[in-house]
Amino acid sequence: GEDVEQSLFLSVREGDSSVINCTYTDSSSTYLYWYKQEPGAGLQLLTYIFSNMDMKQDQRLTVLLNKKDKHLSLRIADTQTGDSAIYFCAESKNSGYALNFGKGTSLLVTP
Amino acid sequence: NAGVTQTPKFQVLKTGQSMTLQCAQDMNHEYMSWYRQDPGMGLRLIHYSVGAGITDQGEVPNGYNVSRSTTEDFPLRLLSAAPSQTSVYFCASSSNTGAGELFFGEGSRLTVL
Repeated sequence: GEDVEQSLFLSVREGDSSVINCTYTDSSSTYLYWYKQEPGAGLQLLTYIFSNMDMKQDQRLTVLLNKKDKHLSLRIADTQTGDSAIYFCAESKNSGYALNFGKGTSLLVTP
Repeated sequence: NAGVTQTPKFQVLKTGQSMTLQCAQDMNHEYMSWYRQDPGMGLRLIHYSVGAGITDQGEVPNGYNVSRSTTEDFPLRLLSAAPSQTSVYFCASSSNTGAGELFFGEGSRLTVL
């Protein structure tokens, strides 16, 4: 299938901003998602962006989409230790099913 | 609210044994899917269903069977378990409206010896 690529690891200090990057290859992707997985749990949707949008902001989260470069980023402002988790980027052509996930970025927030 | 319920949470099998991972959702979602998660591999789609009576293969379907006789249930069957099927399995469901948020179960950790 089409590829979704993410860096595997990111470490930041508490209070700093975190930026997690993702690239995808399928230009027909309609929805792009960010999911969070805490240890021992399933994935939970953090936010999503429709492909005709450039930016979406939701409290501490900012999603930027560069459709030309097929690049998606997730910025977490004022990162807290509770934000330590694995973050997955995903894309879909059809809303909701058969999402194509990246390998996940492990975010470690240190005090 | 139950959401997506998976059983069992943990299972150890011997090579060649069969078993079924159960998945049930109470949100009346049309779409259901099974993923496996392996270290360094992310989540890979095994099988999915867009409604009762309809199933299709995902990226890694070999060694697994599914059926969807009701909207609520989507079991995953391993007919003859192999060590390569040692993994964490996630069931997910979503509605067919809007952006279609996937709701995940808590996972089933399977070890095949």
